[in-house]
Amino acid sequence: GPKVLQIPSHQIIDMGQMVTLNCDPVSNHLYFYWYKQILGQQMEFLVNFYNGKVMEKSKLFKDQFSVERPDGSYFTLKIQPTALEDSAVYFCASSLDGTANSDYTFGSGTRLLVI
Amino acid sequence: QQQVRQSPQSLTVWEGETAILNCSYENSAFDYFPWYQQFPGEGPALLISILSVSDKKEDGRFTIFFNKREKKLSLHIADSQPGDSATYFCAAKTGGYKVVFGSGTRLLVSP
Repeated sequence: GPKVLQIPSHQIIDMGQMVTLNCDPVSNHLYFYWYKQILGQQMEFLVNFYNGKVMEKSKLFKDQFSVERPDGSYFTLKIQPTALEDSAVYFCASSLDGTANSDYTFGSGTRLLVI
Repeated sequence: QQQVRQSPQSLTVWEGETAILNCSYENSAFDYFPWYQQFPGEGPALLISILSVSDKKEDGRFTIFFNKREKKLSLHIADSQPGDSATYFCAAKTGGYKVVFGSGTRLLVSP
């Protein structure tokens, strides 16, 4: 089936540095999402994005976080500066539309380690 | 606060048994409930889902039972196989809002 591609799969970065996580959504999907997962536990919503704008964000989406998708390229999550507590697996997802039963397709995640 | 709760946190069944995973929710506005299956090192993948207008949804060995009045649902995995060993997330959604995930149930199917 259609896939969401996430690059890189792993990233180790020094605290305070900037990191950009890249997501290539399903081609005809219009809504994009980032989720954070720590130690295989609960998937925590960060942000959703549609038509070039952030639609909703959670308290976990700190001021150091930003998202964009310039001209249909990668949907990116940027963290600047990074903190130790940002270490987690970040999952990108996309959906065709924003209706109730529009299913998400998730990528395989980017494992971020901040040291 | 936890909008979607799952139990048990972990579950072990023998091959061939039926695994029952439970889920409850708080927000009455939730009207769509997908279940996701996640294997280690992978992203969650949609397994089966149900709309709140239904009380049961079957797909092969997987069945969702839904009780709107009690705000509870359960996923039954019949004839469990070792390959079903994974983490299962109950999730909930309403309208154009985000999917809210439960904390997951880790299922181990022993041969």
